[in-house]
Amino acid sequence: EEQLVESGGGLVQPGGSLRLSCEASGFTFSNYWMSWVRQAPGKGLEWVANINQDGREKYYVDSVKGRFTISRDNAKNSLFLQMNSLRAEDTAVYYCARESVIAVALWGQGTLVTVSS
Amino acid sequence: DIQMTQSPSSLSASVGDRVTITCRASQGIAKYLAWYQQKPGEAPKLLIYAASTLQSGVPSRFSGSGSGTDFTLTITSLQPEDAATYYCQKFNSVPWTFGQGTKVEV
Repeated sequence: EEQLVESGGGLVQPGGSLRLSCEASGFTFSNYWMSWVRQAPGKGLEWVANINQDGREKYYVDSVKGRFTISRDNAKNSLFLQMNSLRAEDTAVYYCARESVIAVALWGQGTLVTVSS
Repeated sequence: DIQMTQSPSSLSASVGDRVTITCRASQGIAKYLAWYQQKPGEAPKLLIYAASTLQSGVPSRFSGSGSGTDFTLTITSLQPEDAATYYCQKFNSVPWTFGQGTKVEV
């Protein structure tokens, strides 16, 4: 079964850092672009960042540029999101997602990040 | 950046009704559009990609159409399990912007 499992969420103070992880199974992880998508409580979906198969191409939404870093370890079938200088508006459920040609066909269950003092 | 605008923001319909949700892009995106369904507490689920191609396993009462700037998701014969929020997402170039969502009540 194809699966994505996120971890690493939690409560962090404004200005703090957190590293999210996503472990993939059931498919050849190194063949796919991967994304992080977030959803603030009661709000819509927001694409955050993505990374290509070998990790050399990375793109970010403007609101996280310079603060968040996406990376991957194909040997460990894992995707990461390093989040620094966190703000209250970064509070959200963060989903790990596998891209197909023109859609996101596989989603994780999400991990909640709460930024609050 | 290209903006994606959905309408309506919410709707209420009865079982068996035909429901139409619209997504408009601020610039042309050809057919690089996907539709997702999200139920409370769950991850989104892909329904339609490339504007009109039904994802495997999705009931045939769901259909998509459009190209360029105007797109439509149609649910024929609405079912109780279709109560959810629906999102469009563009895929022509990053950022992969989503519409704001349409909540469907049954």
